[in-house]
Amino acid sequence: EAGVTQSPTHLIKTRGQQATLRCSPISGHTSVYWYQQALGLGLQFLLWYDEGEERNRGNFPPRFSGRQFPNYSSELNVNALELEDSALYLCASSSWTDDTNEQFFGPGTRLTVL
Amino acid sequence: QQQVKQSPQSLIVQKGGISIINCAYENTAFDYFPWYQQFPGKGPALLIAIRPDVSEKKEGRFTISFNKSAKQFSLHIMDSQPGDSATYFCAATSSAGGYQKVTFGTGTKLQVIP
Repeated sequence: EAGVTQSPTHLIKTRGQQATLRCSPISGHTSVYWYQQALGLGLQFLLWYDEGEERNRGNFPPRFSGRQFPNYSSELNVNALELEDSALYLCASSSWTDDTNEQFFGPGTRLTVL
Repeated sequence: QQQVKQSPQSLIVQKGGISIINCAYENTAFDYFPWYQQFPGKGPALLIAIRPDVSEKKEGRFTISFNKSAKQFSLHIMDSQPGDSATYFCAATSSAGGYQKVTFGTGTKLQVIP
Protein backbone atom coordinates (compact mmCIF):
# COMPACT_ATOMS: atom_id res chain seq x y z
CA GLU A 1 0.00 0.00 0.00
CA ALA A 2 1.42 3.37 -0.99
CA GLY A 3 1.95 5.83 1.82
CA VAL A 4 1.30 9.55 1.94
CA THR A 5 3.15 11.33 -0.85
CA GLN A 6 4.12 14.98 -1.03
CA SER A 7 5.51 17.18 -3.75
CA PRO A 8 7.79 18.86 -4.35
CA THR A 9 10.51 17.54 -2.05
CA HIS A 10 12.19 20.93 -1.91
CA LEU A 11 10.95 24.38 -2.81
CA ILE A 12 12.92 27.61 -2.88
CA LYS A 13 11.09 30.92 -3.04
CA THR A 14 11.80 34.56 -2.32
CA ARG A 15 9.99 36.86 0.08
CA GLY A 16 6.59 37.95 -1.16
CA GLN A 17 6.14 35.03 -3.54
CA GLN A 18 3.51 32.32 -3.26
CA ALA A 19 4.20 28.63 -2.61
CA THR A 20 1.98 25.66 -3.44
CA LEU A 21 2.57 22.32 -1.78
CA ARG A 22 0.75 19.12 -2.67
CA CYS A 23 -0.23 16.00 -0.78
CA SER A 24 -1.80 12.67 -1.75
CA PRO A 25 -3.24 10.70 1.15
CA ILE A 26 -3.25 6.96 1.64
CA SER A 27 -5.94 5.33 -0.46
CA GLY A 28 -9.18 5.22 1.53
CA HIS A 29 -8.22 8.06 3.87
CA THR A 30 -10.53 11.05 3.70
CA SER A 31 -8.83 13.34 6.21
CA VAL A 32 -5.71 15.34 5.43
CA TYR A 33 -3.72 17.40 7.92
CA TRP A 34 -0.97 19.93 7.36
CA TYR A 35 1.77 20.68 9.89
CA GLN A 36 4.66 23.09 9.93
CA GLN A 37 7.90 21.78 11.41
CA ALA A 38 10.24 24.68 12.02
CA LEU A 39 13.64 24.09 13.55
CA GLY A 40 13.38 23.68 17.30
CA LEU A 41 9.63 24.22 17.38
CA GLY A 42 8.27 20.74 16.88
CA LEU A 43 5.19 20.21 14.74
CA GLN A 44 2.64 22.99 14.63
CA PHE A 45 -0.86 22.13 13.42
CA LEU A 46 -1.86 24.16 10.38
CA LEU A 47 -5.01 22.80 8.76
CA TRP A 48 -7.36 19.83 8.73
CA TYR A 49 -9.46 18.89 5.70
CA ASP A 50 -12.07 16.17 5.53
CA GLU A 51 -14.46 15.32 2.71
CA GLY A 52 -13.43 18.45 0.85
CA GLU A 53 -14.11 20.84 3.72
CA GLU A 54 -11.77 22.75 6.01
CA ARG A 55 -12.64 21.43 9.49
CA ASN A 56 -10.10 23.18 11.68
CA ARG A 57 -7.08 25.43 11.48
CA GLY A 58 -4.25 26.25 13.83
CA ASN A 59 -2.94 29.64 14.90
CA PHE A 60 -1.60 30.72 11.53
CA PRO A 61 -2.42 33.85 9.53
CA PRO A 62 -4.93 33.70 6.65
CA ARG A 63 -2.15 33.75 4.08
CA PHE A 64 -1.85 30.03 4.89
CA SER A 65 -4.72 28.35 3.07
CA GLY A 66 -5.50 25.22 1.20
CA ARG A 67 -8.08 22.96 -0.25
CA GLN A 68 -8.97 19.33 -0.63
CA PHE A 69 -9.97 17.90 -3.98
CA PRO A 70 -12.68 15.29 -4.72
CA ASN A 71 -10.00 12.56 -4.82
CA TYR A 72 -8.99 13.65 -1.25
CA SER A 73 -5.60 14.99 -2.31
CA SER A 74 -4.81 18.38 -0.88
CA GLU A 75 -2.94 21.55 -1.63
CA LEU A 76 -1.40 24.02 0.83
CA ASN A 77 -0.90 27.56 -0.37
CA VAL A 78 1.25 30.10 1.39
CA ASN A 79 0.90 33.65 0.08
CA ALA A 80 3.19 36.63 0.63
CA LEU A 81 6.02 34.42 1.85
CA GLU A 82 8.08 35.60 4.79
CA LEU A 83 11.52 34.43 5.85
CA GLU A 84 10.09 32.73 8.94
CA ASP A 85 7.91 30.51 6.72
CA SER A 86 11.03 28.48 5.97
CA ALA A 87 10.28 25.06 7.42
CA LEU A 88 9.44 21.45 6.66
CA TYR A 89 5.75 21.15 5.81
CA LEU A 90 4.30 17.77 6.65
CA CYS A 91 1.07 16.29 5.42
CA ALA A 92 -0.68 13.46 7.22
CA SER A 93 -3.78 11.44 6.46
CA SER A 94 -6.14 9.35 8.53
CA SER A 95 -9.23 7.24 8.29
CA TRP A 96 -12.37 7.61 10.39
CA THR A 97 -12.51 3.82 10.69
CA ASP A 98 -9.64 3.92 13.17
CA ASP A 99 -10.96 4.83 16.64
CA THR A 100 -7.70 6.48 17.60
CA ASN A 101 -7.45 8.29 14.28
CA GLU A 102 -3.78 7.44 13.75
CA GLN A 103 -2.23 9.98 11.43
CA PHE A 104 0.19 8.71 8.81
CA PHE A 105 2.77 11.25 7.71
CA GLY A 106 4.38 11.93 4.38
CA PRO A 107 8.09 12.78 3.99
CA GLY A 108 7.42 16.50 3.85
CA THR A 109 8.26 19.44 1.60
CA ARG A 110 11.22 21.56 2.63
CA LEU A 111 10.34 25.20 1.91
CA THR A 112 13.14 27.73 1.93
CA VAL A 113 12.32 31.42 1.69
CA LEU A 114 15.20 33.68 0.67
CA GLN B 1 -2.98 24.95 28.16
CA GLN B 2 -2.57 23.25 24.80
CA GLN B 3 1.17 22.85 25.24
CA VAL B 4 3.02 19.61 25.66
CA LYS B 5 6.45 20.19 27.18
CA GLN B 6 9.17 17.73 26.22
CA SER B 7 12.67 17.20 27.59
CA PRO B 8 15.51 16.83 27.01
CA GLN B 9 16.02 18.55 23.67
CA SER B 10 18.84 16.16 22.84
CA LEU B 11 20.15 12.95 24.33
CA ILE B 12 23.27 10.86 23.81
CA VAL B 13 23.15 7.29 25.07
CA GLN B 14 25.63 4.45 24.79
CA LYS B 15 24.58 1.31 22.96
CA GLY B 16 22.79 -1.00 25.37
CA GLY B 17 21.80 1.83 27.70
CA ILE B 18 18.37 3.18 28.59
CA SER B 19 17.05 6.28 26.84
CA ILE B 20 14.44 8.28 28.76
CA ILE B 21 12.39 11.13 27.32
CA ASN B 22 9.89 13.03 29.44
CA CYS B 23 6.74 14.98 28.61
CA ALA B 24 4.25 16.99 30.62
CA TYR B 25 0.86 18.42 29.72
CA GLU B 26 -1.71 20.77 31.22
CA ASN B 27 -4.95 20.07 29.38
CA THR B 28 -6.89 17.43 31.31
CA ALA B 29 -9.07 16.83 28.24
CA PHE B 30 -6.17 14.99 26.60
CA ASP B 31 -6.90 11.27 26.70
CA TYR B 32 -4.60 9.71 24.13
CA PHE B 33 -0.83 10.06 24.13
CA PRO B 34 1.12 8.79 21.11
CA TRP B 35 4.86 8.87 20.60
CA TYR B 36 6.28 9.42 17.14
CA GLN B 37 9.71 8.54 15.78
CA GLN B 38 11.20 10.58 12.95
CA PHE B 39 14.28 9.67 10.95
CA PRO B 40 16.07 12.32 8.88
CA GLY B 41 14.30 12.98 5.60
CA LYS B 42 11.18 11.09 6.69
CA GLY B 43 7.90 12.07 8.22
CA PRO B 44 7.10 11.06 11.82
CA ALA B 45 5.76 7.55 12.33
CA LEU B 46 3.68 6.29 15.24
CA LEU B 47 5.85 4.30 17.64
CA ILE B 48 3.68 3.52 20.64
CA ALA B 49 0.67 5.10 22.34
CA ILE B 50 -1.10 5.01 25.69
CA ARG B 51 -4.42 6.01 27.22
CA PRO B 52 -4.55 7.42 30.78
CA ASP B 53 -6.43 4.43 32.18
CA VAL B 54 -3.16 2.47 32.34
CA SER B 55 0.11 3.45 33.98
CA GLU B 56 2.42 1.60 31.65
CA LYS B 57 2.49 0.13 28.17
CA LYS B 58 5.31 -1.93 26.77
CA GLU B 59 6.01 -2.90 23.17
CA GLY B 60 9.31 -4.66 22.68
CA ARG B 61 12.10 -2.39 23.91
CA PHE B 62 9.80 0.64 24.10
CA THR B 63 7.81 1.45 27.24
CA ILE B 64 5.53 4.38 28.04
CA SER B 65 5.09 5.26 31.71
CA PHE B 66 2.10 7.43 32.51
CA ASN B 67 1.41 9.44 35.69
CA LYS B 68 -2.09 10.86 35.44
CA SER B 69 -2.01 12.81 38.71
CA ALA B 70 1.25 14.54 37.75
CA LYS B 71 0.13 14.92 34.13
CA GLN B 72 3.41 13.48 32.96
CA PHE B 73 4.42 10.62 30.70
CA SER B 74 7.71 9.28 29.51
CA LEU B 75 9.23 7.01 26.88
CA HIS B 76 11.86 4.49 27.91
CA ILE B 77 13.96 2.76 25.27
CA MET B 78 15.67 -0.26 26.77
CA ASP B 79 18.88 -1.70 25.30
CA SER B 80 19.19 1.34 23.03
CA GLN B 81 20.66 0.63 19.59
CA PRO B 82 22.33 2.87 16.99
CA GLY B 83 19.28 2.26 14.78
CA ASP B 84 17.17 4.03 17.40
CA SER B 85 18.97 7.28 16.62
CA ALA B 86 16.14 9.58 15.54
CA THR B 87 14.01 12.44 16.76
CA TYR B 88 11.20 11.46 19.10
CA PHE B 89 8.04 13.47 19.59
CA CYS B 90 5.51 13.00 22.33
CA ALA B 91 1.98 14.10 21.54
CA ALA B 92 -1.43 14.44 23.08
CA THR B 93 -4.92 14.50 21.68
CA SER B 94 -8.52 14.33 22.82
CA SER B 95 -11.42 12.06 21.93
CA ALA B 96 -13.66 15.09 22.45
CA GLY B 97 -12.23 16.46 19.24
CA GLY B 98 -12.28 13.09 17.51
CA TYR B 99 -8.51 12.88 17.99
CA GLN B 100 -8.19 15.25 15.07
CA LYS B 101 -6.05 17.94 16.62
CA VAL B 102 -2.77 16.52 17.85
CA THR B 103 -0.52 18.67 20.02
CA PHE B 104 3.14 17.73 19.69
CA GLY B 105 6.08 18.24 21.98
CA THR B 106 9.15 20.01 20.62
CA GLY B 107 11.05 16.79 20.01
CA THR B 108 14.11 15.02 21.41
CA LYS B 109 17.02 14.18 19.16
CA LEU B 110 18.42 10.86 20.33
CA GLN B 111 21.87 9.67 19.36
CA VAL B 112 22.92 6.17 20.35
CA ILE B 113 26.67 5.73 20.13
CA PRO B 114 28.36 2.33 19.72
